[in-house]
Amino acid sequence: EADIYQTPRYLVIGTGKKITLECSQTMGHDKMYWYQQDPGMELHLIHYSYGVNSTEKGDLSSESTVSRIRTEHFPLTLESARPSHTSQYLCASSANPSGTGMKREKLFFGSGTQLSVL
Amino acid sequence: GEDVEQSLFLSVREGDSSVINCTYTDSSSTYLYWYKQEPGAGLQLLTYIFSNMDMKQDQRLTVLLNKKDKHLSLRIADTQTGDSAIYFCAESISDYKLSFGAGTTVTVRA
Repeated sequence: EADIYQTPRYLVIGTGKKITLECSQTMGHDKMYWYQQDPGMELHLIHYSYGVNSTEKGDLSSESTVSRIRTEHFPLTLESARPSHTSQYLCASSANPSGTGMKREKLFFGSGTQLSVL
Repeated sequence: GEDVEQSLFLSVREGDSSVINCTYTDSSSTYLYWYKQEPGAGLQLLTYIFSNMDMKQDQRLTVLLNKKDKHLSLRIADTQTGDSAIYFCAESISDYKLSFGAGTTVTVRA
């Protein structure tokens, strides 16, 4: 069983609000990820982290920011939410060490946060 | 390129076999994955296959890999109502990244 938790599960907010989506994992994984998922579309990587104090942009440009102050915690923040940010946001973590060249990523996903910006 | 393509929908009768197909583009992908997403939940890793394998079987699941055609399939034997979900194919692009398809919604009818 994966121990990765996202809160809130659902969030409906007005335009211009600042929001933070929480993600925590208790598996001690170094690598964590944020994906954005829209219905009928592939998952898009928006942020990832190799470990504490490491944050990188993913493939899909996103106005969100992330931080990684603790291994277990990888929050995503939108300073000023807009309707275009409406989507499902999935957090994931993996234990595969970097630089192994194995390209084996067994990702564990949280249940996601469905964000609706009005 | 990093394109993973899947058909979007599959309807199958309970008890029949389901076959979900996927094509990928990165010939250097070492691992290929199948994830399952049930309504309101995150993605759950179902199975994965190493690129030097042609087939992997795990209980009701059979994964077939055709590296020449870059084609991956997932067969679910004796499909049950609990198998209704979205199934995502993914390939490993790099040390940190998986590239996902858009998902195939499988509907199991009685």
